Amino acid sequence: AQSVTQLGSHVSVSEGALVLLRCNYSSSVPPYLFWYVQYPNQGLQLLLKYTTGATLVKGINGFEAEFKKSETSFHLTKPSAHMSDAAEYFCAVSDDGSSNTGKLIFGQGTTLQVKP
Amino acid sequence: GAGVSQTPSNKVTEKGKYVELRCDPISGHTALYWYRQSLGQGPEFLIYFQGTGAADDSGLPNDRFFAVRPEGSVSTLKIQRTERGDSAVYLCASSPGLATTDTQYFGPGTRLTVL
Repeated sequence: AQSVTQLGSHVSVSEGALVLLRCNYSSSVPPYLFWYVQYPNQGLQLLLKYTTGATLVKGINGFEAEFKKSETSFHLTKPSAHMSDAAEYFCAVSDDGSSNTGKLIFGQGTTLQVKP
Repeated sequence: GAGVSQTPSNKVTEKGKYVELRCDPISGHTALYWYRQSLGQGPEFLIYFQGTGAADDSGLPNDRFFAVRPEGSVSTLKIQRTERGDSAVYLCASSPGLATTDTQYFGPGTRLTVL
């Protein structure tokens, strides 16, 4: 069975500082990996996804993530944090691929706080 | 265009009551998913539909939970004999198809509180 671990339930950075949100997964097959963002009182919004090909994936709002198979990681980064980035971030992995269903398995989430 | 909508946005009910939660997916999306998000946790899969049929309901916690999608569009999640532990945000998502690479678009959720 696949699983996702997000290291750090809360991350606090200063405006303009680097954002690094960590995600590790376990999977017996090549994974498809996703990062979603959830703003207060809104639905989850896809930031980026890795399926195949280039391991460095660029998403919306200046975020990017790198798939590292050897480390089973898919950490999310942004060079310079904005106040508007304050939200909850979820890493997710698709189902084991045997059924090709798209069912997502989520991590527990990381709350990003951006200080002025 | 319109996104995924869910009604009601909030539902407060008493223990033992029956509730229905509605999801309107994006027009033309064939796949529809239900997830449950408890406080401080990530969403957990409940069930998904391809068209009208429930292709995988392995995430439904017990037989008090049931979902339908009779015409392949709107879906209703039904919970019988609600318990306090059912309190959570229920999320619906739709995608163009069932491919693993298809993006799931989420609604804002229904916050269910069982007193």
